[in-house]
Amino acid sequence: QSVLTQPPSASGTPGQRVTISCSGSSSNIGINTVNWYQHLPGTAPKLLIYYNDQRPSGVPDRFSASKSGTSASLAISGLQSEDEADYYCATWVDSLNGWMFGGGTRLTVL
Amino acid sequence: QVQLVESGGALVKPGGSLRLSCAASGFTFTDYYMTWIRQAPGKGLEWVSYISSTTIYTNYADSVKGRFTISRDNAKNSLYLQLDSLRLEDTAVYYCARLITGDGGYLDSWGRGTLVTVSS
Repeated sequence: QSVLTQPPSASGTPGQRVTISCSGSSSNIGINTVNWYQHLPGTAPKLLIYYNDQRPSGVPDRFSASKSGTSASLAISGLQSEDEADYYCATWVDSLNGWMFGGGTRLTVL
Repeated sequence: QVQLVESGGALVKPGGSLRLSCAASGFTFTDYYMTWIRQAPGKGLEWVSYISSTTIYTNYADSVKGRFTISRDNAKNSLYLQLDSLRLEDTAVYYCARLITGDGGYLDSWGRGTLVTVSS
């Protein structure tokens, strides 16, 4: 059971905007930055967002994210079929001296 | 471009050992911390271990501490994970990833993984 809580599933139709939440606590998200990863089974996970809201080069601006207090969220606008994947939030946890991942959210494009 | 290629995954019995490798290319390997992440069947991602660029610093998730050992050979641009005393729950795809440090850090490049199956 992950300390970072994500909804197990989310869905939307092409063109819609969907958001995925990630809830933590004052000992993880509350004091460290949040990253988001996209993972299609059988492939290498991909960095989508780093330092709460920064997009690596090559990631479309349809992907955005924010953090407030002990929670973070990922938004995908203009949903496309290729966005169907698993999405994970992650943050550094000082007490672990390591990373914690959320349980993951499977996004379905209807 | 950055490329990370894992190898060494196999079917192994409980209590057995295995050594995973990750071949890195397309960047200056000695400049970066590296990590191992795993994903058990039907489960999410789980951080396993990290190692600093000069091997001075390492750390492990509690679930593998004392059983797994991370190492690297900077001359060969390679990262390793020695898995000992394997348990059924260690069955997973193991990914290596490049770590960008600072302000919590993030994993900016990943390999496609290698499958470790622990079964009798």
